Amino acid sequence: QVQLVESGGGVVQPGGSLRLSCAASGFPFSSYAMHWVRQAPGKGLEWVAFIRYNGINKYYADSVKGRFTISRDTSKNTVYLQMNSLRPEDTAVYYCAKDAGCTSTVCYFFYFDSWGQGTLVTVSS
Amino acid sequence: DIQVTQSPSSLSASVGDRVTITCRASQSISTYLNWYQQKPGKAPKLLIYAASSLQSGVPSRFSGSGSGTDFTLTISSLQPEDFATYYCQQTYSIPPITFGQGTRLEIK
Repeated sequence: QVQLVESGGGVVQPGGSLRLSCAASGFPFSSYAMHWVRQAPGKGLEWVAFIRYNGINKYYADSVKGRFTISRDTSKNTVYLQMNSLRPEDTAVYYCAKDAGCTSTVCYFFYFDSWGQGTLVTVSS
Repeated sequence: DIQVTQSPSSLSASVGDRVTITCRASQSISTYLNWYQQKPGKAPKLLIYAASSLQSGVPSRFSGSGSGTDFTLTISSLQPEDFATYYCQQTYSIPPITFGQGTRLEIK
């Protein structure tokens, strides 16, 4: 079955960096787009970043553009989120999600059919 | 950016009730609208995609409808396991993908 396992979260000071990883299994990773979504404590869901199956097309939320970078390594079935210049408002649980509607053959509807368990990032001095 | 607004923000209902949650987009999004369920401490779970398509494995008491700017998620007969927070999500205009603010469904 599909499994997504995030890691790399922790406590970091404002201005610091962190790299999150999401290890995927149970599906042809190289064929699917992937996303990162975050949820601040007690708040709703916020989409963060998208990467197409080929690793070329990438999109970001305005709140993280220029500070975060999404990437993927097909040989390791892993998607990453490099987070630089972290701010207290970046404190959240970060989820990776598989996009069932955007594949290597068709990218029409976007919908997240599988999610990881999340990893907590806390930005605090 | 396209905004999506859910109503109500919270809702109290009883087991067996029929419940409807509404999502309104700030402009037409065709049927690019998904619904998720989230329980405390857990990741969201996909219920409905493309406005009305039931995700595999999701009970048939969940249904979605709508197109353009107005959408609904209906639970035909509430079960104890349905008490959770529900989010709509628009994917018509990317970036960004936007979520509604959530509807918390509580036991009456």
